[in-house]
Amino acid sequence: DVKVTQSSRYLVKRTGEKVFLECVQDMDHENMFWYRQDPGLGLRLIYFSYDVKMKEKGDIPEGYSVSREKKERFSLILESASTNQTSMYLCASSSGGRTGELFFGEGSRLTVL
Amino acid sequence: AQSVAQPEDQVNVAEGNPLTVKCTYSVSGNPYLFWYVQYPNRGLQFLLKYITGDNLVKGSYGFEAEFNKSQTSFHLKKPSALVSDSALYFCAVPHPGYSSASKIIFGSGTRLSIRP
Repeated sequence: DVKVTQSSRYLVKRTGEKVFLECVQDMDHENMFWYRQDPGLGLRLIYFSYDVKMKEKGDIPEGYSVSREKKERFSLILESASTNQTSMYLCASSSGGRTGELFFGEGSRLTVL
Repeated sequence: AQSVAQPEDQVNVAEGNPLTVKCTYSVSGNPYLFWYVQYPNRGLQFLLKYITGDNLVKGSYGFEAEFNKSQTSFHLKKPSALVSDSALYFCAVPHPGYSSASKIIFGSGTRLSIRP
């Protein structure tokens, strides 16, 4: 069974802390994505990566960075967490091409106090 | 601008009745269209997609969707709803300006509630 695994389902952090969200996929997919999901705003793309060490900004990259050192792993980093980054974070992967569906992880619910 | 719209925030259906979740799109060229479902506190799961060919697409859990080019719609349907179908449903389309699936445009989501 194909799988995208997010390291933490629930996290509580304090304002100013550095936060790492890890995502691993076992499908040898080229593309990986980080979205955040907020009520009333739907899914918004933060960053995506189409190859190892390659990344591109999505719609809302401010306050975030990413790292992809290995094909299977895509990390989202909040350098200095703020309360407005409290959200559900979803990682996804896909095999290249516009016809390929996304495979999502279970999500990481981050609360910043 | 490329977009998808889900005009209903919430759809309520009695168990056993047919259900429809609506999606319309505005995409240049031939669209590729997707439906995803999100159960409570879970990530999204792929349900079905339209790429080309038959306008009626069958997917997981008994769902199907009909592509209608003249109405620019891709409504999700099921002949007989189950309580377990209660979830959040997203219509999505890849941005045609990208060669990979890197820019996916999601609708705002429709919450489907099936009452026993």
